Amino acid sequence: QVQLQESGPRLVKPSETLSLTCAVSGYSISSGYYWGWIRQPPGKGLEWIGNIYHGGSSYYNPSLKSRVTISVDTSKNQLSLKLTSVTAADTAVYYCARLPAAPGFFGGSYFDYWGQGILVTVSS
Amino acid sequence: DIQMTQSPSSLSASVGDRVTITCQASQDISNYLNWYQQKPGKAPKFLIDGASNLETGVPSRFSGSGSGTDFTFTISSLQPEDVATYYCQQYANLPLTFGGGTNVEIK
Repeated sequence: QVQLQESGPRLVKPSETLSLTCAVSGYSISSGYYWGWIRQPPGKGLEWIGNIYHGGSSYYNPSLKSRVTISVDTSKNQLSLKLTSVTAADTAVYYCARLPAAPGFFGGSYFDYWGQGILVTVSS
Repeated sequence: DIQMTQSPSSLSASVGDRVTITCQASQDISNYLNWYQQKPGKAPKFLIDGASNLETGVPSRFSGSGSGTDFTFTISSLQPEDVATYYCQQYANLPLTFGGGTNVEIK
């Protein structure tokens, strides 16, 4: 059974960097699939942040690209998210998820396994 | 970016009713369309990929159809446990984008 678990600071100050980790169990990140991050502001819809393929290729939402870095640590079987220069608009529940590849497409297809999510609040 | 427009944004129906949600893409996405269910306080759950392929274990009262720009998600007989927000998501082009969601309640 594939399981994902997000962790990290739940309160970040404006202008600082949001850093989250997603521990994956039940499947080896290096064996395949895309791995991604999605966020959901309180009471609002879902926004894709970016994905990374097990081989290292990464794809980001252009709206966040200048501030986002997604990486994988295969030795720890986890992925990470860094979002710089945060503001109150970055307050959201952040989810990590797995995506199967789709032939002919970059970035993956559907999010089949999700973490439980972590609420990160940006406030001084 | 491909914009995904869902309607209605919310609906209320009785147990046993047939419920239909539509999702319209701003450009042709063929059948590269997925559906998710999100219950309050929980992560989304994947239901359907490729517009109509039901994920293993998902009840058969859920179904999806459509191609191009217009898609439909149907619950054939609404059950109390179906109370949730439903989202469509396209993967024809990056960035991956979601519809705004449809909140389904029991009347």
